[in-house]
Amino acid sequence: GQSLEQPSEVTAVEGAIVQINCTYQTSGFYGLSWYQQHDGGAPTFLSYNALDGLEETGRFSSFLSRSDSYGYLLLQELQMKDSASYFCAVYQSNYQLIWGAGTKLIIKP
Amino acid sequence: NAGVTQTPKFQVLKTGQSMTLQCAQDMNHNSMYWYRQDPGMGLRLIYYSASEGTTDKGEVPNGYNVSRLNKREFSLRLESAAPSQTSVYFCASSAASVGVGEQYFGPGTRLTVT
Repeated sequence: GQSLEQPSEVTAVEGAIVQINCTYQTSGFYGLSWYQQHDGGAPTFLSYNALDGLEETGRFSSFLSRSDSYGYLLLQELQMKDSASYFCAVYQSNYQLIWGAGTKLIIKP
Repeated sequence: NAGVTQTPKFQVLKTGQSMTLQCAQDMNHNSMYWYRQDPGMGLRLIYYSASEGTTDKGEVPNGYNVSRLNKREFSLRLESAAPSQTSVYFCASSAASVGVGEQYFGPGTRLTVT
């Protein structure tokens, strides 16, 4: 079977750093993506990792370890607007994204 | 530049009725996708179109049909709606030539089947 595991909810304080983990088991692997979705909104792309290592884009970083079937999203200098759900998604083949159930990030002032 | 647009935004159907969800993108992307998202869950791929003239099944294609009308437009049809198809439907597009990479999403269609 195929599965992506990520925590259902994470709570952090404004200005802090938070890490959202994702482990996956899929029949194929072409890369790991992260998306952000605010309540009632559409998903928006954050990052894509095809190779092992850390990718940094502003306050957000994403890491991948293919040998461990593991990745994480790191959010720094948290702002209230970062309150949203975060999804990891694996390209099982070209074009076919398999999504995790999402992590709801709650930020407290 | 509107990005990805979807119509309608909301729809209520009775069991057995049919309808077509419309999607268009103005970014000249080759690939287009239809997903559904049930409450508290991630997205599931229904169908995708790698390029104009081609369509392929995704993870949950049963009960749906699609048409890639041209490079801009990709429609999703429910022939005989069932309550299990109550969901939020998202259309997406991507410029990536080999299918992986950033996907751009439309605002979604919230469908209720009674």
